[in-house]
Amino acid sequence: QLQLQESGPGLVKPSETLSLTCSVSGGSISSSSSYWGWIRQPPGKGLEWIGSIYYSGTTYYSPSLKSRVTISIDTSKNQFSLKVSSVTAADTAVYYCAAQGYFDWVSSRWGQGTLVTVSS
Amino acid sequence: DIQMTQSPSSLSASVGDRVTITCRASQSISSHLNWYQQKPGKAPKLLIFAANTLQSGVPSRFSGSGSGTDFTLTISSLQPEDFATYYCQQTYSTPPELTFGGGTKVEIK
Repeated sequence: QLQLQESGPGLVKPSETLSLTCSVSGGSISSSSSYWGWIRQPPGKGLEWIGSIYYSGTTYYSPSLKSRVTISIDTSKNQFSLKVSSVTAADTAVYYCAAQGYFDWVSSRWGQGTLVTVSS
Repeated sequence: DIQMTQSPSSLSASVGDRVTITCRASQSISSHLNWYQQKPGKAPKLLIFAANTLQSGVPSRFSGSGSGTDFTLTISSLQPEDFATYYCQQTYSTPPELTFGGGTKVEIK
């Protein structure tokens, strides 16, 4: 059964770069049938798609975050990663990674989420 | 970009009630509409994809309908474990821009 697990610092200072990794188990990140995505949720608010990556390295980003976001993939480690630069308090959120269908973009499997707080 | 609007933003209902949540897209998205359930402190869980296809393992009291711009999630008989927040999401945009609705919180009356 496919499982995803987010990891990374829970506290980031303003203007610095947020970095998270999603480790995938129970399946290959090189699967041709999946995209791998990041979604976030500020405390008490709704869900926001950040971006997604295919095993080939093809990426898609939310237009509102594109200038600050980089998603990368490491097929040898079965992991993919998220970087958000120049963070502010508005980037404080629970960050989820998810497996998304290649043809339909449906997020069928999610990690448990990790809270990242931006504060000095 | 495509905006997704859910209504109501919250509702109170009793166990056994029939509950309907609506989601409207700012332009036609065909049937590229998914529904997720989220409980406090947990990750969202996929309930329905492609507007009306029940995800494996999801109880049959959940159903989805609609196409184009107007969609509905129905819970035929609300159970205690169904009290949660529900989100719709469109996956129609090309290139992808996977926007979510604002959510509907279903609370106990």
